[in-house]
Amino acid sequence: AQTVTQSQPEMSVQEAETVTLSCTYDTSESDYYLFWYKQPPSRQMILVIRQEAYKQQNATENRFSVNFQKAAKSFSLKISDSQLGDAAMYFCAYRSHGYNQGAQKLVFGQGTRLTINP
Amino acid sequence: EAQVTQNPRYLITVTGKKLTVTCSQNMNHEYMSWYRQDPGLGLRQIYYSMNVEVTDKGDVPEGYKVSRKEKRNFPLILESPSPNQTSLYFCASKTGVKENSPLHFGNGTRLTVT
Repeated sequence: AQTVTQSQPEMSVQEAETVTLSCTYDTSESDYYLFWYKQPPSRQMILVIRQEAYKQQNATENRFSVNFQKAAKSFSLKISDSQLGDAAMYFCAYRSHGYNQGAQKLVFGQGTRLTINP
Repeated sequence: EAQVTQNPRYLITVTGKKLTVTCSQNMNHEYMSWYRQDPGLGLRQIYYSMNVEVTDKGDVPEGYKVSRKEKRNFPLILESPSPNQTSLYFCASKTGVKENSPLHFGNGTRLTVT
């Protein structure tokens, strides 16, 4: 079974600075998807960024980018120019490739609570 | 507006009193799922459904039931709630046929069992 580990329960960063959240995963599969979700105090689960394992190029979405290291099974999230609205719980998640039932499930990490200091 | 709607948003109940958390989506999604979120554990899948009348267990199904009689609705039933089911619950849905389609989440139900 796949597992996802976020080793940083809490992180903090000064507004306008850059912060990197760590995520490692364990799988024997060669093709899969990785995600970062943001959960603000409103409890909404918001998809931040998505990476397909077969793509070597790291995904980027505005101020958010990932460092995907497939061999190391590492998937870190970098937030540039941090803003107060970035304060939230961040979850890393894994999903298998394919159309079968198991491929639809997201496996989540424990979460990292990010605080932005003004 | 495309959305997944869960009700209620907050629920406090007592041990053993049956309850149902409703979930409805208006996107004609085949796939629906329930997760629970606990501190230090992230989100874990409880049950899922690939389509009407097709449901199966996720990773933590004990103490829960689901049904999928209509495509849009996927209620979560706790027949005899216990304090260890105190948690934050999320319903989610996605198009089943497109494997890369995103998972849409509801806004969560905070359940407290005393």
